[in-house]
Formats: sequence, C-alpha cells, structure tokens
Amino acid sequence: AQKITQTQPGMFVQEKEAVTLDCTYDTSDPSYGLFWYKQPSSGEMIFLIYQGSYDQQNATEGRYSLNFQKARKSANLVISASQLGDSAMYFCAMRDPSGNTPLVFGKGTRLSVIA
Amino acid sequence: GAGVSQSPRYKVAKRGQDVALRCDPISGHVSLFWYQQALGQGPEFLTYFQNEAQLDKSGLPSDRFFAERPEGSVSTLKIQRTQQEDSAVYLCASSPQPSGAYNEQFFGPGTRLTVL
Repeated sequence: AQKITQTQPGMFVQEKEAVTLDCTYDTSDPSYGLFWYKQPSSGEMIFLIYQGSYDQQNATEGRYSLNFQKARKSANLVISASQLGDSAMYFCAMRDPSGNTPLVFGKGTRLSVIA
Repeated sequence: GAGVSQSPRYKVAKRGQDVALRCDPISGHVSLFWYQQALGQGPEFLTYFQNEAQLDKSGLPSDRFFAERPEGSVSTLKIQRTQQEDSAVYLCASSPQPSGAYNEQFFGPGTRLTVL
C-alpha cells in the first residue's frame, strides 16, 4: 500500500523568502507519480507540480520545484520568493501508473506567509 | 473554460436524513473520482468512475454511501441515513485520460456537509 507522510503541520515563512515543505512516501511499486496540491481557504485543490519516479531531473514549475530524492523516498516542495497568496494548505500525493488509481494524500502542511 | 463544479457548496443535514451531492466534471473527461476530506486531514478516496462504469468503490465507508454516473458525465454521491461522522468536505475530481501516472486530476470546490 502507498503512504504519504507530511511531518510539518504548520510552517511560517517571510514574504520573498524560500520555504521547503517536506514529504516522504512509501510504496513497493517501482513506478509511481508524485504530486503537490495547494488548497486555499476556498477549498479547491489546485495542482502545482508532478514528478514521475523515472524522471531524471527534478520537476520545476515557475516558483515551485520538487526536490526528488528517490533513495530516501522524499519529494519535498520548494517554493521560492514566497508571496502572501501562497498562504494555504499544501498536500503531497502519489499514485501508481497501473490503470485508474486514486491519489493517496498526506495530511498536509499549513503554510503561512508573513509580510 | 469551465472547471469542475459541485453543488451544493454547503449542506446541513439532521442525523438520519438522506443527502445527494452533485458533481459536474469538465466536459469530455473520462475519469471521475470522489474523495472525502475530514477536518484537518487530507482527502481520502471514496470511489472512481470511468465513463458510466463504477470501477472502484473500495473507499466507500459503508453501504449508506452510493454513487452513480448514469450517462458518463454528471455524478451524484448519495448518503443515506446520515451520521455525524459523515461530516466532511466531499471533493470531486475529473481527468481526461483513463490511465497513466501523470494523469492530472482537476478538483471541484467541494461540498461541505455538516450533520447535526
């Protein structure tokens, strides 16, 4: 079974600074996908970034990058140049590629950006 | 373009009442997922449809939960005889392809159900 662990219930970061949100995962599947979602107070889950288990390079999307360390089974999200609008819940998730499987989510990290 | 929509956004039910939650996926999306998100937790899988076929309902917590997608587009999640532990946000997500690890799921805003 797949499992996602997010050990930081809450994080604070100063505006314009970078922040790292931790995520470790557990799976016996050799092939899988890792996702990060943002959930603002409005409730909608917003896709941020994806990393495939066989991808050679770390994924980047604008200010978001994923620090993928396969041997350590970690997939930390790095947000650079934090903005006030980044304040939200952040969820790490994974799924396997074999067919139509759901996402498995962690418990999330609440990020608060301070002016 | 239009995203995934859900209605109602908020629902208050008395214990024992039946409720129906609606999801309108993005047009043409084949896959549709329902998740339950308890307060302070991440979403947990309930059930999955590919077109009109319910391929996985392993996450439904009890036989009081029922989901359908009769024409392969709109889906309804029904909860019979609601209990307080059913209080949660119910999220619907759709995706355009039926398989593959990189299969981004587009989420709706959710329905917040409160059972009194």
